[in-house]
Amino acid sequence: QVQLQESGPGLVKPSQTLSLTCTVSGGSISSGSYYWSWIRQPAGKGLEWIGRIYTSGSTNYNPSLKSRVTISVDTSKNQFSLKLSSVTAADTAVYYCARVPTPWGQGTLVTVSS
Amino acid sequence: EIVLTQSPGTLSLSPGERATLSCRASQSVSSSYLAWYQQKPGQAPRLLIYGASSRATGIPDRFSGSGSGTDFTLTISRLEPEDFAVYYCQQYGSSGFTFGPGTKVDIK
Repeated sequence: QVQLQESGPGLVKPSQTLSLTCTVSGGSISSGSYYWSWIRQPAGKGLEWIGRIYTSGSTNYNPSLKSRVTISVDTSKNQFSLKLSSVTAADTAVYYCARVPTPWGQGTLVTVSS
Repeated sequence: EIVLTQSPGTLSLSPGERATLSCRASQSVSSSYLAWYQQKPGQAPRLLIYGASSRATGIPDRFSGSGSGTDFTLTISRLEPEDFAVYYCQQYGSSGFTFGPGTKVDIK
């Protein structure tokens, strides 16, 4: 069965770029017709969809984050990635990757602090 | 962008009682691409229902989903102790996915 695992730095400085990678195992990221998404959740708050990339490579982003977000896919590594630029403390959250609606990764905490 | 509203914000019930959670969309959700998730502290969300009414693998039949268009409902027929958690609806049928703000089901 397909499983997802997030990886990347747990601490990012303000104004820098947050970079995370999601590794897909148990299946090919390029097979089927799926949306691969990034979702985040600040501590004690709800879920926020960040964006998605389709199997074909087309992307859609949350309008509130669109100017700072880039999602890309590397089919040779069976991975997709998130880049969020110009981060502030408000971007501190648990970041999940998911093949909506399932499965999801376990999530990774990213803290923005100097 | 489709906005999802969930009600109530908090539902206080006792084990064995029935829980009815509502999710309303600002515009019609295409092809019933509406999902419900359960989340417990420190855990990733767990898919309960997809396509508005289909139970995900391994989900007990006390969980059921219904609705179409703009109004959807998650029903837990008899609450078990492990069901006290936060529940989110999500639409995944338009150009952007969105989540509702969540309903917390806590013990009365």
